[in-house]
Amino acid sequence: EAGVVQSPRYKIIEKKQPVAFWCNPISGHNTLYWYRQNLGQGPELLIRYENEEAVDDSQLPKDRFSAERLKGVDSTLKIQPAELGDSAVYLCASSYGTGGGYEQYFGPGTRLTVT
Amino acid sequence: GNSVTQMEGPVTLSEEAFLTINCTYTATGYPSLFWYVQYPGEGLQLLLKATKADDKGSNKGFEATYRKETTSFHLEKGSVQVSDSAVYFCALILYNNNDMRFGAGTRLTVKP
Repeated sequence: EAGVVQSPRYKIIEKKQPVAFWCNPISGHNTLYWYRQNLGQGPELLIRYENEEAVDDSQLPKDRFSAERLKGVDSTLKIQPAELGDSAVYLCASSYGTGGGYEQYFGPGTRLTVT
Repeated sequence: GNSVTQMEGPVTLSEEAFLTINCTYTATGYPSLFWYVQYPGEGLQLLLKATKADDKGSNKGFEATYRKETTSFHLEKGSVQVSDSAVYFCALILYNNNDMRFGAGTRLTVKP
């Protein structure tokens, strides 16, 4: 079974430029998550989708971040414009259902460096 | 609010040494508890979990027991290997929502 796929793995951009990350979850997983992991810290949730609906985006900085999950499968996370403080690893995860009984499977992440 | 506090790293051990990584939690409800491991260049992988008090999660020689009285979920392994070198994250999630909270992570290096 293929795992969660993310691309690109690494991205270096100048501040004020736009950037987009892509995630393909495990087949059949209805719930998709985007996390941000700052250096030396644990992941923090940005947004959670159940199918194509964003059910928790309370931690997403909506002035510059946007996300979509068309058709309830793949998802993209966009930053426009990027700031120096956005440098982090962006992790995508998926699970079959929601709640503590369902394991979240993580992709390898996209390491973003903003210069 | 809900949060996890982990033992600060980094931790450096010799091969076959005993490992303990402390984890305590604060939760408004009754959480499920997890340990995730992140190997270099890879995503987080679930190592073990426990869903109720006194449950013991175990996998690959690692163990952790859900202690409600001390709000703890310490990770232990009796004899570490070089291949165990990674970053370990303690996490919790309340059963009735999907808000997973992670600790800051503890980097473990095992030397031959």
